[in-house]
Amino acid sequence: KQEVTQIPAALSVPEGENLVLNCSFTDSAIYNLQWFRQDPGKGLTSLLLIQSSQREQTSGRLNASLDKSSGRSTLYIAASQPGDSATYLCAVQLTGTASKLTFGTGTRLQVTL
Amino acid sequence: DTAVSQTPKYLVTQMGNDKSIKCEQNLGHDTMYWYKQDSKKFLKIMFSYNNKELIINETVPNRFSPKSPDKAHLNLHINSLELGDSAVYFCASSQDFASTYEQYFGPGTRLTVT
Repeated sequence: KQEVTQIPAALSVPEGENLVLNCSFTDSAIYNLQWFRQDPGKGLTSLLLIQSSQREQTSGRLNASLDKSSGRSTLYIAASQPGDSATYLCAVQLTGTASKLTFGTGTRLQVTL
Repeated sequence: DTAVSQTPKYLVTQMGNDKSIKCEQNLGHDTMYWYKQDSKKFLKIMFSYNNKELIINETVPNRFSPKSPDKAHLNLHINSLELGDSAVYFCASSQDFASTYEQYFGPGTRLTVT
């Protein structure tokens, strides 16, 4: 059974700092890994999707990496801003599971002025 | 221009009632999903439909019955509501169920059972 863990559970940083969020998964037979952000009381917004054959994806100030063999992904946020404050979720899709996503426990990020 | 929409946004009801949540996507996607987010914010898939056919049915009580009248709509009907059904229910869609496509989520329906 795939388990997805995110560390830390909560993080507070001052504006402008670079930061790394971690995601680990127990079963390395994945199709892809997706990072989302969730704002309080809102739905999820897809940030980045990494296929199993890829090592990283970039979008603006965000960079996500994937190391299947070690069961890890990181989301790097450069020059953090207060608007980045949200809960960040990673989710993996196992091979042969017809698009079923298994979500991590989330990291709640607070970027302070 | 909403991509994935859900109605209602909030739903408060008593135990034993039957209720429905509706979802619509205007992205032209073939695959739609229902997820449940519990009080600890943990998200878990419940159902997935591809082009109106059920492809994922997780271990969900049979009081929950999804219905897809067409590929743009996926509704969730819940019979005999229980306190433990209180959660936020999210609808999502993707182009199809292949691994290469992102899932897009609706804003959620907060269900409170009293």
